[in-house]
Amino acid sequence: DTGVSQNPRHKITKRGQNVTFRCDPISEHNRLYWYRQTLGQGPEFLTYFQNEAQLEKSRLLSDRFSAERPKGSFSTLEIQRTEQGDSAMYLCASSLAGYVETQYFGPGTRLLVL
Amino acid sequence: DAKTTQPPSMDCAEGRAANLPCNHSTISGNEYVYWYRQIHSQGPQYIIHGLKNNETNEMASLIITEDRKSSTLILPHATLRDTAVYYCIVRVTNAGKSTFGDGTTLTVKP
Repeated sequence: DTGVSQNPRHKITKRGQNVTFRCDPISEHNRLYWYRQTLGQGPEFLTYFQNEAQLEKSRLLSDRFSAERPKGSFSTLEIQRTEQGDSAMYLCASSLAGYVETQYFGPGTRLLVL
Repeated sequence: DAKTTQPPSMDCAEGRAANLPCNHSTISGNEYVYWYRQIHSQGPQYIIHGLKNNETNEMASLIITEDRKSSTLILPHATLRDTAVYYCIVRVTNAGKSTFGDGTTLTVKP
């Protein structure tokens, strides 16, 4: 399977704990996106990278959230001191920057904060 | 990115064509129309995109009006597996993030 992969698929944690999610993009894609989706809503943009550079961050990305893409390949999204409001599906997408760019999504990581 | 308006829900009989409308009256000349769908508990799946010409692929057809203020996604022979939330997005291609609305929940009934 050469699509976008995300790990873990599910995570249950207690409030106040830190969690880290990983995204592996499609191999030749140089852009990587993170979105968050709560029940009944469409995905909301969090941040994106082009290669190693983080080009845009949403106001949704509070200082408890940090994303990295150290070698321009996989990316991690860390949430520190989790809160119940962080419970959501975290989606990763990748794309190849170009004149017509199409984003392809992974299966998501579902986070439940107790 | 331009705002889109979609009906919250639609039903379609299995085997019939499903026509999903989207209004994007403030679309700019350099914005493309993209369609994605999301089956329960999965990530969004890319379907099709277009600028001003009608487009067709193995999954669907996209009809964009001449003034580009609206579009229709057509699933020619809907199956039960097409039951999903369908999102219409307009964005400047190569400009980064996509802005999703709440989409249309399509239910295909036997």
